[in-house]
Amino acid sequence: QVQLQESGPGLVKPSETLSLTCAVSGYSLSSDYYWGWIRQPPGRGLEWIANIYHSGKTDYNPSLKSRATISVDTSKNQFSLSLTSVTAADTAMYYCARWADLPGVRRVFDYWGQGTLVAVSS
Amino acid sequence: QSALTQPPSASGSPGQSVTISCTGTSSDVGGYNYVSWYQQYPGKAPKLMLYEVAKRPSGVPDRFSGSKSGNTASLTVSGLQTEDESVYYCSSYADPGRVIFGGGTTLTVL
Repeated sequence: QVQLQESGPGLVKPSETLSLTCAVSGYSLSSDYYWGWIRQPPGRGLEWIANIYHSGKTDYNPSLKSRATISVDTSKNQFSLSLTSVTAADTAMYYCARWADLPGVRRVFDYWGQGTLVAVSS
Repeated sequence: QSALTQPPSASGSPGQSVTISCTGTSSDVGGYNYVSWYQQYPGKAPKLMLYEVAKRPSGVPDRFSGSKSGNTASLTVSGLQTEDESVYYCSSYADPGRVIFGGGTTLTVL
């Protein structure tokens, strides 16, 4: 059973960098899936941030690309998100998820973590 | 990138059917059969209900079905049950390598 668990500080100051990690169990990040981050501001909808393949290939939401960096550490079986110059608008629940893109299951987030709430405030 | 357009709310009585639409463009919904639907209960992570427009993951009841016509995809829930009351999000792949979500639809079972 694939399980994802987000971790990171619950509070970040404006203009600082938000850093989150997603630990994956039950599946090797070195295998044929992408891994991604999605966020959800309180009371609002989902917004995709970025995806990464174990090779390091990345895709980003154009609206966040200048501030977001996604990375993968296959030795620790985890991947991370860094978001620079945060503002109150970055306050959200951040989810990590597995992005399936294989024959038979194409281009869908099939497993999600429980999410971690990050507030941006001084 | 603009969000896909969903109605804010939908409702139906137990046993009835309800359909939720998801409208995009020819660059996303209309251009690919990679539309998925997620169910989200308050305080919980989204759960995958449909992928590739109409495919159901193991464990999802066949009361949930999907279709697509042009730039609009649809989720139909048949035989509504009280536990179907939730928020539903559509999502689509958009080249190159982007993912777009809809704004969400709150389904109320009257």
